[in-house]
Amino acid sequence: DTGVSQDPRHKITKRGQNVTFRCDPISEHNRLYWYRQTLGQGPEFLTYFQNEAQLEKSRLLSDRFSAERPKGSFSTLEIQRTEQGDSAMYLCASSSLSTGGNEQFFGPGTRLTVL
Amino acid sequence: AQKVTQAQTEISVVEKEDVTLDCVYETRDTTYYLFWYKQPPSGELVFLIRRNSFDEQNEISGRYSWNFQKSTSSFNFTITASQVVDSAVYFCALSEPGGKLIFGQGTELSVKP
Repeated sequence: DTGVSQDPRHKITKRGQNVTFRCDPISEHNRLYWYRQTLGQGPEFLTYFQNEAQLEKSRLLSDRFSAERPKGSFSTLEIQRTEQGDSAMYLCASSSLSTGGNEQFFGPGTRLTVL
Repeated sequence: AQKVTQAQTEISVVEKEDVTLDCVYETRDTTYYLFWYKQPPSGELVFLIRRNSFDEQNEISGRYSWNFQKSTSSFNFTITASQVVDSAVYFCALSEPGGKLIFGQGTELSVKP
């Protein structure tokens, strides 16, 4: 079984452009989480899904951010009108409720640089 | 509110030394989970251990050991006989069951040969 995958691994964009990231969780993991990590900090929660339902969104998730998980499998995170402050590593994680353990397994991340 | 504090920003040791990474947490929940993750220079977070709030037994896995003390809200991590490959940033995290992780700011461990 493969782990969590994210695409792209790196993205450089100009301020004001829209970007979209994709996350493929471990198969059969019903929970999927998005986090953001800036240099020297721990990851900060953005949002999470249980199957296709988005259950919680952080106040960090401004109106320019939107996340979807349409079929309960992969998820996308879109940032509209990017700002330099959006530059960060965007991490995706998945977990399985059935194991009851709440362990979240992380992907390699997408590093976003906004010029 | 939930909070995790890792007071040690950076630690530097020489290979084969033992090192302890501190973690203090705050929560009002009676049921919660605590975690340690390792983030090597490659950047990917690697799960190390999970403890639930009802299990205060210490755990040992090879050179790694964890000391969970509810009385002091601490969940410390000790690496025995450190190796260069242990160099990484280590994060302590807290969650409610099934919920999001609240991470500390991380401790950067540098193990020198």
